[in-house]
Amino acid sequence: DIVMTQSPDSLAVSLGERATINCKSSQSVLHRSNNKNYLGWYKQKPGQPPKLLISWASTRESGVPERISGSGSGTDFTLTISSLQAEDVAVYYCQQYYSSPLTFGGGTMVEIK
Amino acid sequence: QVQLQESGPGLVKPSQTLSLTCTVSGGSVNSGSFYWSWVRQPAGKGLEWIGRVSTNGRTNYISSLKSRVTISLDTSKNQFSLKLTSVTAADTAVYYCAREPEGDYADYWGQGTLVTVSS
Repeated sequence: DIVMTQSPDSLAVSLGERATINCKSSQSVLHRSNNKNYLGWYKQKPGQPPKLLISWASTRESGVPERISGSGSGTDFTLTISSLQAEDVAVYYCQQYYSSPLTFGGGTMVEIK
Repeated sequence: QVQLQESGPGLVKPSQTLSLTCTVSGGSVNSGSFYWSWVRQPAGKGLEWIGRVSTNGRTNYISSLKSRVTISLDTSKNQFSLKLTSVTAADTAVYYCAREPEGDYADYWGQGTLVTVSS
């Protein structure tokens, strides 16, 4: 199984400042046949289901603000919130869908400093 | 707009079988290249992918639950279901159903249902 490791577990950022979340996979999730990274990012607020933010490591879903972006390839990935807003307070998860079983990172809680 | 809704008992006794159903609206469970999956989340903890079923009935499960879990489609009711046998307190969690296009990321989720295992 592919193990997904996120860091940090939590971070507190001032409004308007940058938040950066890291995700590392135990093996590459880059499919050579199509050059796609099988990596997604989700946002979860208390009492709500996860919401897909980013697919294919860097493709923003419809309606996701441009301040949220994904980057990385192979085994190392980053979710960046360029200018933190109050509505960004949540837990963020990465997930690999390269191979079954699909696996999630442990989550990163983002709070306002 | 696709919508998913979980249903089933909120309380299950230890050693019994947990049974949940996910009703899909706004789309058909047996059309397109979709997988229909279950994910659970114990209180205050992270997400655990349990398994999935494809539109043609193929299944994948997480290894740790493989001996106890069955996920299946009911195309006549446009639903899919989760059965987990021999439950213990460790199976207490919010259970989510979700849709995975071509077995990739989950783009639509149900609201989740809390299942508590207790006598």
